Amino acid sequence: GNSVTQMEGPVTLSEEAFLTINCTYTATGYPSLFWYVQYPGEGLQLLLKATKADDKGSNKGFEATYRKETTSFHLEKGSVQVSDSAVYFCALSSQAGTALIFGKGTTLSVSS
Amino acid sequence: NAGVTQTPKFQVLKTGQSMTLQCAQDMNHNSMYWYRQDPGMGLRLIYYSASEGTTDKGEVPNGYNVSRLNKREFSLRLESAAPSQTSVYFCASSETGTGNYGYTFGSGTRLTVV
Repeated sequence: GNSVTQMEGPVTLSEEAFLTINCTYTATGYPSLFWYVQYPGEGLQLLLKATKADDKGSNKGFEATYRKETTSFHLEKGSVQVSDSAVYFCALSSQAGTALIFGKGTTLSVSS
Repeated sequence: NAGVTQTPKFQVLKTGQSMTLQCAQDMNHNSMYWYRQDPGMGLRLIYYSASEGTTDKGEVPNGYNVSRLNKREFSLRLESAAPSQTSVYFCASSETGTGNYGYTFGSGTRLTVV
C-alpha cells in the first residue's frame, strides 16, 4: 500500500545551519507530495507541494524536489531560524478523492 | 477568518461517556476529514467524507462514528470513550480531489479520557 517514511527526530540545529529532513514514499501511479508544518499548540499548515516528477515546491525559504527515480521529497532550507522550530510532516496523495497519507513527523528544534 | 473551526478545544471525559466533536468549514470545500495525532504515530485517518452525503472509514475507525450534516459540517462521535482514545483530534477540509490541493486544518481538540 501507499506509505510515507520520514527521518526520525528530533533534529537539533543552531540558528543559520543547513536543514535537510528526508522523506521517501511508496505509491502506485504518480502521487502529489506535500510538506506540512505544525507549530506548538496549532494545527497543520501546508508548507509546500509538488504535483509531478521534477517539480520543486518552495515557500518561506524551504524547498523540496519531487524525485521519482529515488521516490523522495526531501525538505531543505539553507539557513534555519529559531522561528522554524516545529514538527514537519511529509504527505502524499495518490489519487483524487482519497485522503492524504502522512509520515510520522520530524521535530525540528533550532537554538540561537 | 475563513478556515476550519473545531469545538471544543479541550475536553476531559470519563471512561464510558459519550461526546461529539464538531467541525465546520466556510471555504465551500467538498471533502472533509478527521485525523487523530498521537506521539510517535503521526496523523492517522479516522473517517473522511469525499462529498456531502458520503462517509468512508479510514485507518482507525473503531470506536468512532461520523455525520456529514451538510456541506459545511462534519462531526465525530465517541459513543463510549476509552482511555485509548486520549489524543489530539484534527478536522481538515479540501477541494474535491487532493491531487493538486492541500488540506486546511482546524486547530485541534485535545481529548483526555480518564
